[in-house]
Amino acid sequence: AQSVTQPDIHITVSEGASLELRCNYSYGATPYLFWYVQSPGQGLQLLLKYFSGDTLVQGIKGFEAEFKRSQSSFNLRKPSVHWSDAAEYFCAVGAQGAGSYQLTFGKGTKLSVIP
Amino acid sequence: KAGVTQTPRYLIKTRGQQVTLSCSPISGHRSVSWYQQTPGQGLQFLFEYFSETQRNKGNFPGRFSGRQFSNSRSEMNVSTLELGDSALYLCASRGRGLAGETQYFGPGTRLLVL
Repeated sequence: AQSVTQPDIHITVSEGASLELRCNYSYGATPYLFWYVQSPGQGLQLLLKYFSGDTLVQGIKGFEAEFKRSQSSFNLRKPSVHWSDAAEYFCAVGAQGAGSYQLTFGKGTKLSVIP
Repeated sequence: KAGVTQTPRYLIKTRGQQVTLSCSPISGHRSVSWYQQTPGQGLQFLFEYFSETQRNKGNFPGRFSGRQFSNSRSEMNVSTLELGDSALYLCASRGRGLAGETQYFGPGTRLLVL
């Protein structure tokens, strides 16, 4: 069975600083990987996704993520954080099996931004 | 294109009651999945429907059920509510039900069981 680990429960950064959120996954085949963001009381918004090809993927709001198969990681980065980036971030792996498909999520990393 | 919509947005129920939540997927999307989000367990997969058929179900008791209609709208039902069912219930849709397709999430229904 697939699993996702986000080691950092809560991260605080200053506005303008760089950001890296860690994500490690466990899955037997080539994974479909996603990063979603959730603002308080809201649903999930897709930031970016990796299916195949270039291991560095660009997303919305200036985010990027790098897939590293050897490390089973898919870390999210942003060079300069804005106060509006404060939210909770979820890494997910998509698994296909027996005609069905589901996302398995990490526990999330809450990002706080200091002005 | 309109996004995924969920109704109602908020619900308060008491233990033992039942509840029905509704989800309208993005137009043209045929796959609808449901997830439960709680502070303790995080985001957990409930079930997926495609073309009115349940394709997969997560590790939840039989009190949790769902269905999908011919227009791809979906409902989930929870019977005999327990306090632990208090959660944000998220619906997600994707297009052709293919592996790796992006799931687009609705705003969720927040259920409080008293």
